This record gives sequence, structure tokens and C-alpha cells, in this order.
Amino acid sequence: DGGITQSPKYLFRKEGQNVTLSCEQNLNHDAMYWYRQDPGQGLRLIYYSQIVNDFQKGDIAEGYSVSREKKESFPLTVTSAQKNPTAFYLCASSISLWRANVLTFGAGSRLTVL
Amino acid sequence: DQQVKQNSPSLSVQEGRISILNCDYTNSMFDYFLWYKKYPAEGPTFLISISSIKDKNEDGRFTVFLNKSAKHLSLHIVPSQPGDSAVYFCAASAMGNTPLVFGKGTRLSVIA
Repeated sequence: DGGITQSPKYLFRKEGQNVTLSCEQNLNHDAMYWYRQDPGQGLRLIYYSQIVNDFQKGDIAEGYSVSREKKESFPLTVTSAQKNPTAFYLCASSISLWRANVLTFGAGSRLTVL
Repeated sequence: DQQVKQNSPSLSVQEGRISILNCDYTNSMFDYFLWYKKYPAEGPTFLISISSIKDKNEDGRFTVFLNKSAKHLSLHIVPSQPGDSAVYFCAASAMGNTPLVFGKGTRLSVIA
């Protein structure tokens, strides 16, 4: 079945450590996204990528980094510079960035900083 | 600067009744709107969408209404079922290659 796989589902990190969240899709979608969900804050866009080797900052990119070396993969690194990293992280993809294309989301990764 | 607003954080409805979830937007360039449904610890799933050339779109129990002059859309669920209990996100997009903008969500509780 086609879909998006995020791993790990739960992750604990000590302050000062970087951590990388994995996102893989087998939908042959060109566009991929990372969102962050906090209680009462909805879904906020961190980074997005329209095509391999290209990505753009979203609304809350500070303290995060991404890469898009393969069409199928869009990993997100939460760096020690991110002041409040504890959150639920969602990866998504769509056929393209065109507005009418529906986003398909992964099941999410919950990061907790101890 | 919140471009998509869902002013009701939560809504409680009895089973069998109508649920109405509201969404307002400020950006007049938005011309495509979507609703997503999200259960706890899962990713959102697409529910229904509407283009600005329409004022209504229906899919089974779900209907979305768009009032462009008021910059307002609403999602109607009739009849509401306990399985509809989830967080509903309104999202909007402008012409061109720009990402969706999401509202903060409304938590719907359908009480049996």
C-alpha cells in the first residue's frame, strides 16, 4: 500500500542533542512537507520541498534543518538551537505544490525533550 | 498574523444532530479550501474541499459551504456519529505554488 512512513513514533532527547526524524513516501509525490502540532496551535509549517535538492523555509524554520536528496525521503533534523522542540511532528506529501492537490500525512512522530 | 481562523476550540454535539464547524479567513487571495480530520496520535486525513467558484460541496454526510463575501466557510456533518469525534482543521490555499495554511482546529465531541 502506498503511504508515508514516519519513524520513530516516539523519541526522547536530552537538551542540547540534535535528533533526526525520518519521513519516507512511496506515493511518487514530488512535494513533501514538515508540520509541527502543539496543543491549541494547529499545524504550523516548518519546511517544504517541491522537488529533489530543493526546499524552502516555512513559518517556523528556526532551529530545524532538512534535506531532500531522494524523491522518497525528506528527513527533518531538530537541532539544539530549537528552543522548544517538544511537539508532535507530521510529515506530508502531495503530487505537487499546486493548491488543489491533497496532502497525505504520515502518522506522526512525538518528540519529548527531557 | 493568523490567516485562517477557527474561533471555536471545541464543540460538543449529540449523536444524530447536526455538527457545524466554522472557519474564517483573511487573505482574499485564497481560492481553494479543504477540511481535514485528525484523531489523536495520527496524521490528519482529507475530508472534503471546495473551490472558490462554488458555494457548496457535498459528500455523503459532509457538506462544506463557502461565503466568499464574508470570507467564511463551514463544515456541516449530518447526522453526527460518535466516530466523528476528532479534531477538524480548516485549510486554505492561494493561486500558485504555495503551501496550505491551516487553522488551529476545532475538537468535535459527539456524545451518544
